[in-house]
Amino acid sequence: GEDVEQSLFLSVREGDSSVINCTYTDSSSTYLYWYKQEPGAGLQLLTYIFSNMDMKQDQRLTVLLNKKDKHLSLRIADTQTGDSAIYFCAESTPNRDDKIIFGKGTRLHILP
Amino acid sequence: DAGVIQSPRHEVTEMGQEVTLRCKPISGHNSLFWYRQTMMRGLELLIYFNNNVPIDDSGMPEDRFSAKMPNASFSTLKIQPSEPRDSAVYFCASSLEGQGIYNEQFFGPGTRLTVL
Repeated sequence: GEDVEQSLFLSVREGDSSVINCTYTDSSSTYLYWYKQEPGAGLQLLTYIFSNMDMKQDQRLTVLLNKKDKHLSLRIADTQTGDSAIYFCAESTPNRDDKIIFGKGTRLHILP
Repeated sequence: DAGVIQSPRHEVTEMGQEVTLRCKPISGHNSLFWYRQTMMRGLELLIYFNNNVPIDDSGMPEDRFSAKMPNASFSTLKIQPSEPRDSAVYFCASSLEGQGIYNEQFFGPGTRLTVL
């Protein structure tokens, strides 16, 4: 069935790069997403990538997609304290209406 | 736009009581989702509606949970009777089907439910 897996915790020093990894099982996934959840708030779309791309860059964010291995990663350059949040990997396919399958989220902790 | 609106933001109730959570999606959106988030199980999709019709309720944990969407601008999630294990943050999200390029779900701020 459809599943998205990611590690639950990541600690990174301020100023270093953070890399959050994710694997998914549905080979027909069309869009892959990263959502961010700040404390006390709902999830918010951070970035997305179409399945025919292997990389997308947006300022400090770099998304890498390895479709063969069904592996997605999010790299945050120059990690700041404001990046402290839970990051959710997610995927969708056209045959599932608007349903998005979310991972359990990776809690990013920034060390001073 | 005010975004997705949920009420109440916090609810504390006693075991056995009925709890009703409310959601107002973004105007014009035609899909609505109810999620539950706990530390143990992460984010779980409970049910989703498209054009006010329930499409998939396979995530609803048991018969104590029910959801309705009487019109395009309002949905409720009801738990009756509530149990301590229902304590969680419940999120409502909405999206516009057929945006063309990707599906973005817009989340409300959540309702933190505590069942004593």
